Amino acid sequence: QVQLVESGGGVVQPGRSLRLSCAASGFTFSTYSIHWVRQAPGKGLEWVTVISYDGSNKYYADSVKGRVTISRDNSKNTLYLQMNSLRAEDTAVYYCARASLSSVWMKGFFDSWGQGTLVTVSS
Amino acid sequence: QSVLTQPPSASWTPGQRVTISCSGSNSNIGSNFVYWYQQLPGTAPKLLIYRNDQRPSGVPDRFSGSKSGTSASLAISGLRSEDEADYYCATWDDSLSGWVFGGGTKLTVL
Repeated sequence: QVQLVESGGGVVQPGRSLRLSCAASGFTFSTYSIHWVRQAPGKGLEWVTVISYDGSNKYYADSVKGRVTISRDNSKNTLYLQMNSLRAEDTAVYYCARASLSSVWMKGFFDSWGQGTLVTVSS
Repeated sequence: QSVLTQPPSASWTPGQRVTISCSGSNSNIGSNFVYWYQQLPGTAPKLLIYRNDQRPSGVPDRFSGSKSGTSASLAISGLRSEDEADYYCATWDDSLSGWVFGGGTKLTVL
């Protein structure tokens, strides 16, 4: 079955960087776009970014544009989220979610989710 | 403030039918499919409804979705205690070139 396992979260000081990973299994990773979605403590869901199946196209939310980079290594079935210049408001559980296959790739909805990894930005 | 508007909370008794609304605009709900997610306490979200009104396998037919114009709704009939969760609507926004979520509705089963 589809499995997505996030890692790399932790406590980081404001202004520092962190890289999250999402290890995928149970499906052909290289044929699916993948999203990152985050959830601040006690708050709702916020979409962060999406990457196409081959890594050639990406979209970002305005709240993270310029500070965050999504990438993937299809040979390792792994997705990454490089986060720079972290702020307190980036504190959240970060989920990776597989995008459903769609004729318009970025409109593929979140059909499977990982359990998330917590990022805490604090001095 | 979320692009999609949902009521923050709803409280109903077991067995009743509850409807959760999701209001947007022409650039999001008005021109794209709507999706609904259920998030039980302490867990990851789970797909409940896709493409406005389709249920994934394994989702009970007590759950149904609909869309009209720039609004969408999730209906839950025969409410059960295990339905107590947060519910989110989501869709693509053509103007923002990104996905948007509703603020979530916390459903309490009394």
